[in-house]
Amino acid sequence: TQLLEQSPQFLSIQEGENLTVYCNSSSVFSSLQWYRQEPGEGPVLLVTVVTGGEVKKLKRLTFQFGDARKDSSLHITAAQPGDTGLYLCAGRLGGTSYGKLTFGQGTILTVHP
Amino acid sequence: NAGVTQTPKFQVLKTGQSMTLQCAQDMNHEYMSWYRQDPGMGLRLIHYSVGAGITDQGEVPNGYNVSRSTTEDFPLRLLSAAPSQTSVYFCASSSPAGGRSYEQYFGPGTRLTVT
Repeated sequence: TQLLEQSPQFLSIQEGENLTVYCNSSSVFSSLQWYRQEPGEGPVLLVTVVTGGEVKKLKRLTFQFGDARKDSSLHITAAQPGDTGLYLCAGRLGGTSYGKLTFGQGTILTVHP
Repeated sequence: NAGVTQTPKFQVLKTGQSMTLQCAQDMNHEYMSWYRQDPGMGLRLIHYSVGAGITDQGEVPNGYNVSRSTTEDFPLRLLSAAPSQTSVYFCASSSPAGGRSYEQYFGPGTRLTVT
């Protein structure tokens, strides 16, 4: 059983559509991060959220941390083919070491031109 | 800065062989971690270190050893390779910033196949 459940696992959409990826847990996290990974490379950090209810925007990407710090979402507006990749959420449980992250299974996003 | 480097990029082992995956970072980060990535399972933490001389187990430590003799290097040793260890391995480093938020910097990965 995954501590962080991501959904959906696969997403295939047309350019210009909007989408939302969810990251859910029954545990409380001190902080939650979203990473993007391209084939053959390591993940790269997109954003870190640390406060319950926090919303961060990165151009067409909007990230939200749930009020209870148990869930998060990533919303992409007007998706572009360059958004294609694997999106991973990762959280640090309260009281654990900064070196210890728990990852979700990932969402593979494909944006067709 | 080279960031996080990993060698080799690809490796094929026979069951029972041992090997060491190398990881180095030049950012003077205190924290370093090893993950494995398998389809549909995201990244799972194998071992991590909060500083030179200090290591701890992650979620899936069995069959792997680590040591941290310097801040820069964090090698991962496979003691007796098994087909279940076929995976892509990522090393990452990080340093706390602002108390609760920090970024993990990942290496390019090592694709390991055990036959």
